[in-house]
Amino acid sequence: EAQVTQNPRYLITVTGKKLTVTCSQNMNHEYMSWYRQDPGLGLRQIYYSMNVEVTDKGDVPEGYKVSRKEKRNFPLILESPSPNQTSLYFCASSSLTGLAGAGEQFFGPGTRLTVL
Amino acid sequence: QKEVEQDPGPLSVPEGAIVSLNCTYSNSAFQYFMWYRQYSRKGPELLMYTYSSGNKEDGRFTAQVDKSSKYISLFIRDSQPSDSATYLCAMKASSASKIIFGSGTRLSIRP
Repeated sequence: EAQVTQNPRYLITVTGKKLTVTCSQNMNHEYMSWYRQDPGLGLRQIYYSMNVEVTDKGDVPEGYKVSRKEKRNFPLILESPSPNQTSLYFCASSSLTGLAGAGEQFFGPGTRLTVL
Repeated sequence: QKEVEQDPGPLSVPEGAIVSLNCTYSNSAFQYFMWYRQYSRKGPELLMYTYSSGNKEDGRFTAQVDKSSKYISLFIRDSQPSDSATYLCAMKASSASKIIFGSGTRLSIRP
């Protein structure tokens, strides 16, 4: 089954404790992206990657890191989480052709992060 | 001012009603218009997309774009309880540009 998986689905942590949220896709997509979703603010892009070893900042990159060492994986790293990073996080992927040009992205199920 | 504005709702209608969901935008460069549907505890999934102005129909769903008014709509006919979800509009200026999402409208269809 074609899918984007994220782990963990739920995470409660404390300020300053480094964490990684994993994202993996099995569709051989070149493009991958991380979003955060907050009430009233919609989906905001954190980082994206056009291909292996190619990453770039989105609209809200502060406090986050990413890496793209393999095509299928795109982990999100919070080196020193703070309470304002409490949010619902989504990983997404798409090809660079076809309906991707029209805006089709495939989203993971989300990771709900709480930073105390 | 946000580039894309969407009424958050919630919107509650009886089963069988026609639902109208709307977004306004400020960037006249937007050419691609999408509607994503997000069920509770799930990621968004693309429901419909249109390019430039006009209407597009897919079953009970119709997407409409009015570029002169910078206004897009999604109509759902014969609404079903399974349509209960959050609907996010989204837009982009070109095939290579990033997607800008609205904040989503929560819709509930009462049986």
